Amino acid sequence: DTAVSQTPKYLVTQMGNDKSIKCEQNLGHDTMYWYKQDSKKFLKIMFSYNNKELIINETVPNRFSPKSPDKAHLNLHINSLELGDSAVYFCASSQDRVWGGESNEQFFGPGTRLTVL
Amino acid sequence: EDQVTQSPEALRLQEGESSSLNCSYTVSGLRGLFWYRQDPGKGPEFLFTLYSAGEEKEKERLKATLTKKESFLHITAPKPEDSATYLCAVQAGGGADGLTFGKGTHLIIQP
Repeated sequence: DTAVSQTPKYLVTQMGNDKSIKCEQNLGHDTMYWYKQDSKKFLKIMFSYNNKELIINETVPNRFSPKSPDKAHLNLHINSLELGDSAVYFCASSQDRVWGGESNEQFFGPGTRLTVL
Repeated sequence: EDQVTQSPEALRLQEGESSSLNCSYTVSGLRGLFWYRQDPGKGPEFLFTLYSAGEEKEKERLKATLTKKESFLHITAPKPEDSATYLCAVQAGGGADGLTFGKGTHLIIQP
C-alpha cells in the first residue's frame, strides 16, 4: 500500500513546454507539500496546502502553480519549462498543521525526476 | 532565516564501527527537529522527531539526541544496510510548515 504516490516517476521534456506532476496520498492527512531536490541533493520546500489553502509559497517562480482538487491530491503544474527546472520533485503529506504545538512528521513520495532538454 | 548544517558531508565506516552524525541548527522557535534517511532514487524515509532539548529517541541501531543548538544521530555497530544519506530538518514556530533541510551526510558502511 503506497502512502504517498507520484506520477510520472520520470519526465523528459523540451524547454518551453508545460507539464504537470500528480501526487496522491491515502493517509488521510490534512496538509500536502512540494519539495525540489537539486543536483546537489539539497531539498527545498516549494509549496504547502492545507484544506485547499496555500499556506506558504517560497521564492518560486510563478511558472510553478500547485493545484489541489481535494484533500488527497496536490498536483504541480509548470509552465514554460526552463533548463534550471531540471531536478527531482517530491510530494509529501502530514497529519495536521498544529500552531504552537507539536509538529508532525511529513511522509514523502518516491519523487519525479524532471529533465528539461 | 532558518539554517541547518550537517557534518560531515560524507562518512565511511567499517561494519561495526560506531559513530555520530551532527546537525547544527538556527531557527526562530523550534517546533520540531526531524531525521530522515534517503536511499538513492527514493524519497526521504522518516526516522525520528525531536521536540525539546534533552529528548532522545532510539530505533534499532540509531539514536537521536537534541540540544538547544544541535542534534546528533548516533549509529551503533552499523551494518552495510545502514548505508544511505541521512537528512536533518527543522520546522519553525514562525508559521511556515515546510521543513528546512540540511544537505545531508552520505554514510557508507563497508563490510
